[in-house]
Amino acid sequence: GENVEQHPSTLSVQEGDSAVIKCTYSDSASNYFPWYKQELGKRPQLIIDIRSNVGEKKDQRIAVTLNKTAKHFSLHITETQPEDSAVYFCAASYPTGTASKLTFGTGTRLQVTL
Amino acid sequence: KAGVTQTPRYLIKTRGQQVTLSCSPISGHRSVSWYQQTPGQGLQFLFEYFSETQRNKGNFPGRFSGRQFSNSRSEMNVSTLELGDSALYLCASSLGQGFDQPQHFGDGTRLSIL
Repeated sequence: GENVEQHPSTLSVQEGDSAVIKCTYSDSASNYFPWYKQELGKRPQLIIDIRSNVGEKKDQRIAVTLNKTAKHFSLHITETQPEDSAVYFCAASYPTGTASKLTFGTGTRLQVTL
Repeated sequence: KAGVTQTPRYLIKTRGQQVTLSCSPISGHRSVSWYQQTPGQGLQFLFEYFSETQRNKGNFPGRFSGRQFSNSRSEMNVSTLELGDSALYLCASSLGQGFDQPQHFGDGTRLSIL
């Protein structure tokens, strides 16, 4: 089955700096890669996603890049703010016949310090 | 539009008991999936339901089961509870079957086994 590795597990940056979180996946058939943000005690929320036919996608301070050849994708957050502090999960979706699965990385705890 | 609603928010059970958790998807969403979230294992896929049928299942024992009703609401049941079942159980809904589309999560049910 699919395996998703996520690094780093914790990341501390100063306010205003950039943060990068990297994920690798194992199944080349994976075709959809969402990123979720989970604040303490709250539900995971989708912040950005990318499909396998796209190399990069940007939404204000957040961007995601995908390298299908290397089977890795990354989340980039620029001009970080204290409210960006949360746990971030990457995920990969791959088709299994008529169904598909969503496999998550183990999460990155991002702390933005003043 | 109301979000995904999970009830109850908290549950305390003892070993050997059984428990039923409920999930009401966003109106119009027909797919409901369930996840177990623990500090050690992260987010792990349990199963997905679409049109009242289980479409896919993760690597969990048969003690974990679920169902979906005609109004797309879903329930998850865990029998013969074990200490290791203590976790946050999240459900997510989406418009159609499969995971190549945004998943919208509920706040979860925190299950504690004594």
